[in-house]
Amino acid sequence: EDQVTQSPEALRLQEGESSSLNCSYTVSGLRGLFWYRQDPGKGPEFLFTLYSAGEEKEKERLKATLTKKESFLHITAPKPEDSATYLCALCAGGSEKLVFGKGTKLTVNP
Amino acid sequence: NAGVTQTPKFQVLKTGQSMTLQCAQDMNHEYMSWYRQDPGMGLRLIHYSVGAGITDQGEVPNGYNVSRSTTEDFPLRLLSAAPSQTSVYFCASSYSPPGVTEAFFGQGTRLTVV
Repeated sequence: EDQVTQSPEALRLQEGESSSLNCSYTVSGLRGLFWYRQDPGKGPEFLFTLYSAGEEKEKERLKATLTKKESFLHITAPKPEDSATYLCALCAGGSEKLVFGKGTKLTVNP
Repeated sequence: NAGVTQTPKFQVLKTGQSMTLQCAQDMNHEYMSWYRQDPGMGLRLIHYSVGAGITDQGEVPNGYNVSRSTTEDFPLRLLSAAPSQTSVYFCASSYSPPGVTEAFFGQGTRLTVV
């Protein structure tokens, strides 16, 4: 069974304090791994897609990386506006369904 | 483009009542899905559609019904609401299968069943 486990469940950072969020997964052939951001009361918003181990993608203060067992979302010098819940999701090869992790709630204090 | 539009944003139902959650997209996407999000759990797939006239079940389909008569619309029907269906519901659409390209989500419908 395809599984996605995100850690930590919650993370508090001071503004400028860099850190990483983890997404561990088990899947029978990865089709794609996705990172989404979700603000309170809103729907998830797409951030990145990663398809193969070794791939990296960056956007402003965020960088996503992928290995054969996990993905990291690195946040460099975060700002309070980066506060949100970050969701990891994957799709197995031959499937058309996304499997989501429970998310990491990030709070960045000024 | 409005993207993915869900209505209503909030709804309170009594046990046993039926209702339809509306979802419309204006991006000409073939793939549409319904998820529910509960505290402490990830988004779970209820039903999905790969095109007009084609639907299939997801992880938690019991108690829900869907149809897809047009590319734009994908309504979710609760046949006889139960307190266990209290949740936040999200509709999503994508150009390609969700595992290939990103999905675009609506703003959600918060449903309470009393």
